[in-house]
Amino acid sequence: QVQLQESGPGLVEPSETLSLTCRLSGGSLNNYYWSWIRQSPGKGLEWIGYIHYIGTTKYNPSLKSRVTMSVDTSRNQFSLQLNSVTAADTAVYYCVRGGDYGDWFDPWGQGTLVTVSS
Amino acid sequence: DIQMTQSPSSVSASVGDRVTITCRANQGIANWLAWYQQKPGKAPKLLIYGASTLQSGVPSRFSGNGSRTDFTLTISSLQPEDFATYYCRQADSIPFTFGPGTRVNIK
Repeated sequence: QVQLQESGPGLVEPSETLSLTCRLSGGSLNNYYWSWIRQSPGKGLEWIGYIHYIGTTKYNPSLKSRVTMSVDTSRNQFSLQLNSVTAADTAVYYCVRGGDYGDWFDPWGQGTLVTVSS
Repeated sequence: DIQMTQSPSSVSASVGDRVTITCRANQGIANWLAWYQQKPGKAPKLLIYGASTLQSGVPSRFSGNGSRTDFTLTISSLQPEDFATYYCRQADSIPFTFGPGTRVNIK
């Protein structure tokens, strides 16, 4: 069964870069779209963007200038970088698998809390 | 961006009750609508996509309906494990956007 696991620092200083990795087990990155979604009390669930296994990306326009996603099929993982973070980026970050048209997200990783603070 | 709203924001119900949650998009999204269930401290779980297609393994007491701008999620007979927060999410256009959630509480 496909499982996703996020990893990365739980604390990031303001203006620095948030970096997270999602490792996939029990399946392959091939033929799916891989998204990052975050959840904060103030903004609810927010889709950050997706990357296809061949490297095509789409980002949320509200974050596009600060987001970079990458994929490493040899390691069966994909990554998120969010630059110039502020306290507003404090959230639980989830990695998820998505269908061809973005019509479903399943499964989700367990989520990782990232706090932006000095 | 497409804005999603849900009503009610919370509902109190008893085991065995029929519960219906409404989701509305501020523009037409055909049937590009999914529903997720989230329990405290857990990731959301996919229940329904394509407005009415039940995800594999999800109990048949969950059903989805609607098209264009108005959608519903119905739980036909509420079970103890169904007390959670439910979110709708549009998949019609990027950026994908979620509703604010509906919390189903124990009466």
